[in-house]
Amino acid sequence: DQQVKQNSPSLSVQEGRISILNCDYTNSMFDYFLWYKKYPAEGPTFLISISSIKDKNEDGRFTVFLNKSAKHLSLHIVPSQPGDSAVYFCAASGLNAGNMLTFGGGTRLMVKP
Amino acid sequence: SQTIHQWPATLVQPVGSPLSLECTVEGTSNPNLYWYRQAAGRGLQLLFYSVGIGQISSEVPQNLSASRPQDRQFILSSKKLLLSDSGFYLCAWSAFRLQETQYFGPGTRLLVL
Repeated sequence: DQQVKQNSPSLSVQEGRISILNCDYTNSMFDYFLWYKKYPAEGPTFLISISSIKDKNEDGRFTVFLNKSAKHLSLHIVPSQPGDSAVYFCAASGLNAGNMLTFGGGTRLMVKP
Repeated sequence: SQTIHQWPATLVQPVGSPLSLECTVEGTSNPNLYWYRQAAGRGLQLLFYSVGIGQISSEVPQNLSASRPQDRQFILSSKKLLLSDSGFYLCAWSAFRLQETQYFGPGTRLLVL
């Protein structure tokens, strides 16, 4: 049972446009969400997080939106750059799980010049 | 600042041989430590986590084991590798508080032949 799902395995975007990566979760106990970026043969790099008390968190070109009623979060990258091409993982945790993260399957973003 | 090291970066091992992957963290005390595996084209699967020396929890039954002989050292082992153990192994740490971000090491690519 996948508690965190990223339904789009890949996404292709033109440089300068917006990239929107989506993530859905089923566990209503999740209250902390993170996005990681991963290049091939490297460890994931933390990008941005959001707590369930907020519905939006912004850091430079990256914005994460959380819709608790829909159990949905999204990562917006504006403007997209070729260096953003990577696999993006969303992850979730809940107080009842301590610091355990449940990861989605990842979305491969390709930003075309 | 905190850093996390993993070695080796790449490992090719024959089926049935033993395995030892090491992870160390610098710049923090009493971290939570984690081992993940990413199989080819798939998401991150939590294998083990540790909240203190000698304290190991396993998330999935498998051919692997983990040990934490020192506060900032986490070791992933196997007595006899299987072909299915091939993958990309990632170590991560987080502060010993709830809902802290996990930070990943560079990973070890293991190929079992």
